Amino acid sequence: GEDVEQSLFLSVREGDSSVINCTYTDSSSTYLYWYKQEPGAGLQLLTYIFSNMDMKQDQRLTVLLNKKDKHLSLRIADTQTGDSAIYFCADLLGDDYKLSFGAGTTVTVRA
Amino acid sequence: DTAVSQTPKYLVTQMGNDKSIKCEQNLGHDTMYWYKQDSKKFLKIMFSYNNKELIINETVPNRFSPKSPDKAHLNLHINSLELGDSAVYFCASSQDEEGLVKGYTFGSGTRLTVV
Repeated sequence: GEDVEQSLFLSVREGDSSVINCTYTDSSSTYLYWYKQEPGAGLQLLTYIFSNMDMKQDQRLTVLLNKKDKHLSLRIADTQTGDSAIYFCADLLGDDYKLSFGAGTTVTVRA
Repeated sequence: DTAVSQTPKYLVTQMGNDKSIKCEQNLGHDTMYWYKQDSKKFLKIMFSYNNKELIINETVPNRFSPKSPDKAHLNLHINSLELGDSAVYFCASSQDEEGLVKGYTFGSGTRLTVV
């Protein structure tokens, strides 16, 4: 959407690291999220980061947040074929807990 | 047990018809949502309900009417369907402040095709 922007496509070789980038506009965002959507499925929450954190690591996933630049990234280490999906960045707006999503980055993992 | 279930999964209908999509969550969450995902995968919120009360009503044609008979159900009724309504509609739920860290739980979507 207008509030959250992502690059649309990423191709990565199996075993390499993937980095997906996102920028957002609302400086009052308190929580930022990464969701994964596999073909024909709903969205699955991968991880989140609170706005007072710079980094969060969860197994193969590393989230980096640069609040000054309003930039969020998701790094997937040792990317596997099962990681092929669309990845959405989202931020939480306002008191009504409305999630605003980016357009999604389609990640294709090649052998 | 499916946490957020939507029916039907696929819906093909002619222009001008009226149709409903149903959503149920068994998570005990207080808030439910409808999102529309267009052909470019862009997700946009349409409505949210908290304990049967309408909280968010984005700029959506009034042909779309949500109905929440209880906090576990949020249905979407669409009148006079148009070609541009073709999309995947996702239902989601969250548990207020707990939802901040757990995010929303999404259903698997309803693919609506208007012909």
